[in-house]
Amino acid sequence: GESVGLHLPTLSVQEGDNSIINCAYSNSASDYFIWYKQESGKGPQFIIDIRSNMDKRQGQRVTVLLNKTVKHLSLQIAATQPGDSAVYFCAENIRGAQKLVFGQGTRLTINP
Amino acid sequence: GAVVSQHPSRVICKSGTSVKIECRSLDFQATTMFWYRQFPKQSLMLMATSNEGSKATYEQGVEKDKFLINHASLTLSTLTVTSAHPEDSSFYICSARRLGKDEDTQYFGPGTRLTVL
Repeated sequence: GESVGLHLPTLSVQEGDNSIINCAYSNSASDYFIWYKQESGKGPQFIIDIRSNMDKRQGQRVTVLLNKTVKHLSLQIAATQPGDSAVYFCAENIRGAQKLVFGQGTRLTINP
Repeated sequence: GAVVSQHPSRVICKSGTSVKIECRSLDFQATTMFWYRQFPKQSLMLMATSNEGSKATYEQGVEKDKFLINHASLTLSTLTVTSAHPEDSSFYICSARRLGKDEDTQYFGPGTRLTVL
């Protein structure tokens, strides 16, 4: 039968504005989290990571926040540029499992 | 950043044939590589974990005789889709795990688009 793809959550922002992409995770045993960016037809590209003993980590134009109490992860992108348009995935590493579990992804669109 | 390559980037084959996809870590050694499958507008689904020098570990529901994995060296893992059928058409992505003092990160290849006619 025909398969129906999921509709990715979409976030549209104006060029130059800041964007926040959210992710909820479910496994309290997850000890390491990563954000990946995937452009159309390409593999995921590592953006930034954070360990469970941290609440915040900053990179170049990006900040990841981790709230373990509510199992929530966010990616903040400052001064968005057209090249930031992509699908963003959060991934969690479950302690002991040595593998990543990916979230459903969010499509970020930058409007000129 | 770490570089992972895949070959081929795109392949079209006839139903019933086998297709081999290579995944290489170009600037680091990876004892562990992973193979994912991604359908349009969906997330990545882990198929199997490839360990250098030992048998791959397959996720539930993935047929090991259908998707053969070989990890013969610290920089190369291969995925062979045997007797491919149209439902095997998908985007296959590998990743290589880089371990360091403060690092445990998967770096992804560019993906291989498989189309089975």
